[in-house]
Amino acid sequence: NAGVMQNPRHLVRRRGQEARLRCSPMKGHSHVYWYRQLPEEGLKFMVYLQKENIIDESGMPKERFSAEFPKEGPSILRIQQVVRGDSAAYFCASSPIKEETQYFGPGTRLLVL
Amino acid sequence: AQSVTQLDSQVPVFEEAPVELRCNYSSSVSVYLFWYVQYPNQGLQLLLKYLSGSTLVESINGFEAEFNKSQTSFHLRKPSVHISDTAEYFCAVSREDSSYKLIFGSGTRLLVRP
Repeated sequence: NAGVMQNPRHLVRRRGQEARLRCSPMKGHSHVYWYRQLPEEGLKFMVYLQKENIIDESGMPKERFSAEFPKEGPSILRIQQVVRGDSAAYFCASSPIKEETQYFGPGTRLLVL
Repeated sequence: AQSVTQLDSQVPVFEEAPVELRCNYSSSVSVYLFWYVQYPNQGLQLLLKYLSGSTLVESINGFEAEFNKSQTSFHLRKPSVHISDTAEYFCAVSREDSSYKLIFGSGTRLLVRP
């Protein structure tokens, strides 16, 4: 059983461009969480999604950030008009049902020049 | 609101020595508790968790943590560390009524020296 997959692993964007981060949860998992890790900091919750639904987006910045988890395909975290402060590692985690244990992917490291 | 405090940002220790990484949390309701380990440039791996039952939980690689409700702590311990234990360790809590989203501490970097 493959683990949580994220791609790309590294992403470089210039200020003003768009970044699209993908997360494929573990097989059989229908719940996805996104977290952001700023340099030298812990992880901060961003958004929790189920298939076709955003359940909790209390950690998402109000502007430029959006997330989706379509019926088919991976979950996507989209950052429009990136700024240098968006440079961070973005981690996706999945769980099979609404339960307490989450399994993390390897992360996408975004660098904004 | 919940919060997690890891007081030690870095813990240097010699190989084969014991270590304790401290974690305290604040919450007005029952929480689930976790320790995750992050090796350089990698994702987080679940080390151990406390959900209910026995307050002492163990991992397969020799780590253990004890849930202490009165002190709101979940310290991580290992009696004898290896060089390969060098990593960042994160304590986290979640709640059933809060979508199980994880609230993380700031992390403790364990540095094992030969």
